[in-house]
Amino acid sequence: DAKTTQPPSMDCAEGRAANLPCNHSTISGNEYVYWYRQIHSQGPQYIIHGLKNNETNEMASLIITEDRKSSTLILPHATLRDTAVYYCIVRVPPRLNSGGSNYKLTFGKGTLLTVNP
Amino acid sequence: GAGVSQSPSNKVTEKGKDVELRCDPISGHTALYWYRQSLGQGLEFLIYFQGNSAPDKSGLPSDRFSAERTGGSVSTLTIQRTQQEDSAVYLCASSRSFSRTQETQYFGPGTRLLVL
Repeated sequence: DAKTTQPPSMDCAEGRAANLPCNHSTISGNEYVYWYRQIHSQGPQYIIHGLKNNETNEMASLIITEDRKSSTLILPHATLRDTAVYYCIVRVPPRLNSGGSNYKLTFGKGTLLTVNP
Repeated sequence: GAGVSQSPSNKVTEKGKDVELRCDPISGHTALYWYRQSLGQGLEFLIYFQGNSAPDKSGLPSDRFSAERTGGSVSTLTIQRTQQEDSAVYLCASSRSFSRTQETQYFGPGTRLLVL
């Protein structure tokens, strides 16, 4: 899996948009960008993933640059409950790697997002 | 709907004792994963079950660790003769299958194991 680089921490005011960057300059053509988060003392939670087009769901938006070397996760209206460690992962989906073992998720250090009142 | 559930949520045991951790995946999910996460560390893959295929046990750290999945649903992770370095949060995840919308791994809340 390609290496990712994220800032160790960020702060955001409640109600404002939180923009979390991720660099993945060595990403290959069939690798997707995934985002998970982990709220303190809870299990990781899937947020969103994408290949090259921007994606949006009920939790967040994912903006991927045209060269795919970086991406930004956007929480449009951050709440205190969004305080968590956010992990950016780049990997080939298991369905595209038949017989491989890339179903194993590995997280780096991530970004600790603190949403302040 | 119900998510992945794990029990117990916390377990304190003495060194040398055996422990069993249980995972109930989301109904209909064919794939089940066990990970562990030590304090301040990332995820460590332990074992993976997919349908009736042989499990991938490559992540189990020693032969004291074993896991089974009965009836393609509930899974039990067993640690024999626990050691202090086994203390961690043990996470279970499940996913439906390998298609775009169904490969997402959904995690349970974890079991916090402390070996004294």
